[in-house]
Amino acid sequence: QQQVKQSPQSLIVQKGGISIINCAYENTAFDYFPWYQQFPGKGPALLIAIRPDVSEKKEGRFTISFNKSAKQFSLHIMDSQPGDSATYFCEAGGNNDMRFGAGTRLTVKP
Amino acid sequence: GAGVSQTPSNKVTEKGKYVELRCDPISGHTALYWYRQSLGQGPEFLIYFQGTGAADDSGLPNDRFFAVRPEGSVSTLKIQRTERGDSAVYLCASSTGTGANIQYFGAGTRLSVL
Repeated sequence: QQQVKQSPQSLIVQKGGISIINCAYENTAFDYFPWYQQFPGKGPALLIAIRPDVSEKKEGRFTISFNKSAKQFSLHIMDSQPGDSATYFCEAGGNNDMRFGAGTRLTVKP
Repeated sequence: GAGVSQTPSNKVTEKGKYVELRCDPISGHTALYWYRQSLGQGPEFLIYFQGTGAADDSGLPNDRFFAVRPEGSVSTLKIQRTERGDSAVYLCASSTGTGANIQYFGAGTRLSVL
């Protein structure tokens, strides 16, 4: 069952632009929403995460926006760089029941 | 250890054979997860352990797949009578099992069934 829907599948952004990736979840019991970055041949690595008690969290160039009523959250990458080119996965869950989105392949062109 | 270790990094086997994939989690992490990732897809949940017991095995695709964690640390994912469709990267992650549920992933085992 697809409990977490992620879009777009792929995204091409110019250097310096803003990359936006969206996720929607179904289970209202979920209370932890991380984003992972994955480079080829590597496992996913935690980028940034949010709890539903806040609507936004910012760490450097990365921001999560969270809309509890809509059951949606998004990742914004400001001033995108070629080194940000990777696959990004959202995840949602709680109590160690965690489910991934299908991923977004981001390409940042120089 | 410094991180989650998975061995082997690559495994090539023939259809019908039995394989075992090993995961060494971060020391002290009580929660351990197995995922399967096909090319261009997100990790697909298989099973997670809290300590020695499988807290949720709802993602195991069929009875050819089995996982154990007998001492609450190292885990082994076992696949019997492998099929070509089992070819994927198998990822393991561990977490402290409390609080923020941050998962730390290994680099995965790439399984190829010929």
